[in-house]
Amino acid sequence: NAGVMQNPRHLVRRRGQEARLRCSPMKGHSHVYWYRQLPEEGLKFMVYLQKENIIDESGMPKERFSAEFPKEGPSILRIQQVVRGDSAAYFCASSPRTNTGELFFGEGSRLTVL
Amino acid sequence: QQQVKQSPQSLIVQKGGISIINCAYENTAFDYFPWYQQFPGKGPALLIAIRPDVSEKKEGRFTISFNKSAKQFSLHIMDSQPGDSATYFCAASHQPGTASKLTFGTGTRLQVTL
Repeated sequence: NAGVMQNPRHLVRRRGQEARLRCSPMKGHSHVYWYRQLPEEGLKFMVYLQKENIIDESGMPKERFSAEFPKEGPSILRIQQVVRGDSAAYFCASSPRTNTGELFFGEGSRLTVL
Repeated sequence: QQQVKQSPQSLIVQKGGISIINCAYENTAFDYFPWYQQFPGKGPALLIAIRPDVSEKKEGRFTISFNKSAKQFSLHIMDSQPGDSATYFCAASHQPGTASKLTFGTGTRLQVTL
């Protein structure tokens, strides 16, 4: 019974490149959340998706960031034209359709922008 | 309105002692208050959670105390062990439907010494 799977675990990009982070939710979970964790800080909500729909993107920066959760395949968080300030750990979490409140987190993708 | 304030930022406790971490919130619509534990290089994992209809919840050595009128809640770790050394995050959410969007505190780094 695999947990939330994120890849890559570590990603290094130069300024101006694109970063793509993938998340496969737990089996049976249809809700996906992306959070960003800056060094020595808590987790900041970015976006909440269900299959093929963005439900809440109130935490997403207005430019360069986008997210999707297609009918088939993993959820993807895409960061275009990365800048040094994008360096962070990006965590994906999932929850089941029946809302218990608990979020199940992956181990994160750590983006470093040179 | 969406903030959750957490203190202390770091905590050192001797083995066998009691660790206490405090959180305060502003949004009176919050109705779910979990604590997450995060080890270095890993994703957060749910430790214990409480809803506002009770003032205390205990699971093993971990207890949440909840004060609705003061809009505060705290985590107590009894008989703290070196294996408890981790970062602890309080969180809160309002769950009108299926969403589990959490607002996190900034975290407390706990170190339990021998």
